[in-house]
Amino acid sequence: DADVTQTPRNRITKTGKRIMLECSQTKGHDRMYWYRQDPGLGLRLIYYSFDVKDINKGEISDGYSVSRQAQAKFSLSLESAIPNQTALYFCATSGSSGTGSYEQYFGPGTRLTVT
Amino acid sequence: AQTVTQSQPEMSVQEAETVTLSCTYDTSESDYYLFWYKQPPSRQMILVIRQEAYKQQNATENRFSVNFQKAAKSFSLKISDSQLGDAAMYFCAYRRGSGNTGKLIFGQGTTLQVKP
Repeated sequence: DADVTQTPRNRITKTGKRIMLECSQTKGHDRMYWYRQDPGLGLRLIYYSFDVKDINKGEISDGYSVSRQAQAKFSLSLESAIPNQTALYFCATSGSSGTGSYEQYFGPGTRLTVT
Repeated sequence: AQTVTQSQPEMSVQEAETVTLSCTYDTSESDYYLFWYKQPPSRQMILVIRQEAYKQQNATENRFSVNFQKAAKSFSLKISDSQLGDAAMYFCAYRRGSGNTGKLIFGQGTTLQVKP
């Protein structure tokens, strides 16, 4: 089974709808991240979390919110979706800096289309 | 703020040949890590190689190697003996060193085509 899973894998929604993207991990990592990928822009950080009580905004957090329900679960919500939020969304996890684990492990991505 | 730039939107290489993808970055930090990620059509982000800034020796992973020029802030990826399965988008990424958030800063990506 995959270490980092995302649901749904693909979603089409209409402008103004609320949508939630979910991420779960079995790696036991404390840190979780949400990124957005757009053509020609690479991946940009939306939100990140060090634990269930520590959530931080990334560089493009406007229009998004997150919830860390448990160490293993980190959800991204679009309260009122708009077309320019059409993108590929990735969840990622990593260990804390003290563990010496430097890599981020990515989920399979969610393709979101807002019409 | 740190930035990462990949100036080659697309590259192509003949199967079995060697190709080099370019990446430059800007930072005032001395402690950091650099990464190359591969994204095949499946969309999965796969770590290809990692370089610690404090190490002078260039990292190597099988057919993949880097040319890390710290003073020039350059971090290129060389793929030797290119295979059809190497066709993908490649992202260069930067991460500050210890005691930080661990978040990655990505370049724009380079799409690599491998011709049979």
